[in-house]
Amino acid sequence: GQNIDQPTEMTATEGAIVQINCTYQTSGFNGLFWYQQHAGEAPTFLSYNVLDGLEEKGRFSSFLSRSKGYSYLLLKELQMKDSASYLCAFEDSNYQLIWGAGTKLIIKP
Amino acid sequence: GAVVSQHPSRVICKSGTSVKIECRSLDFQATTMFWYRQFPKQSLMLMATSNEGSKATYEQGVEKDKFLINHASLTLSTLTVTSAHPEDSSFYICSASRGRGGNEQFFGPGTRLTVL
Repeated sequence: GQNIDQPTEMTATEGAIVQINCTYQTSGFNGLFWYQQHAGEAPTFLSYNVLDGLEEKGRFSSFLSRSKGYSYLLLKELQMKDSASYLCAFEDSNYQLIWGAGTKLIIKP
Repeated sequence: GAVVSQHPSRVICKSGTSVKIECRSLDFQATTMFWYRQFPKQSLMLMATSNEGSKATYEQGVEKDKFLINHASLTLSTLTVTSAHPEDSSFYICSASRGRGGNEQFFGPGTRLTVL
């Protein structure tokens, strides 16, 4: 079967670093997405990882280990506006997206 | 950038009426469009996937006769909620993709449906 798991909620301090983990199980895998969703808004694309390793994009980085079925999103220099839900989703061999339930990130001053 | 619009952004209707939501890709041709529903504090739930010119593929548990999807062109898909009931009240989001295989989905701003 297929499943994907990420923590429900995390809290971090403004200016700090936070890592949001995502684990998945699937027989077919094409890649993994991370999206950011502010309350009441549609998700916006953050990253897409296909190969193992870390991809950095400004304050945000995403890591993938295909052999471990594991990814994380790393947010540096946290700002209050980073308070949002972060959704991971993997693309299976049929190009279907399987979504995680999202991690609500709360940033405290 | 790739922009997807949705109309209307918010709709309130009476129980039993039908509501049509439009999703347009404004500056690219969307081979595939997706319709999602999101209940408060829950993740996105895929309702259906539609490819231009063909019938939509519905997820298990989604009634195709209740949620009519039309993807008539490469830039327009519509979702019609027929005979809406209060339990259909939700946030409906469409997304558009240029194709499969790692192509990111560009999301519309969403439509808040409230059925009284």
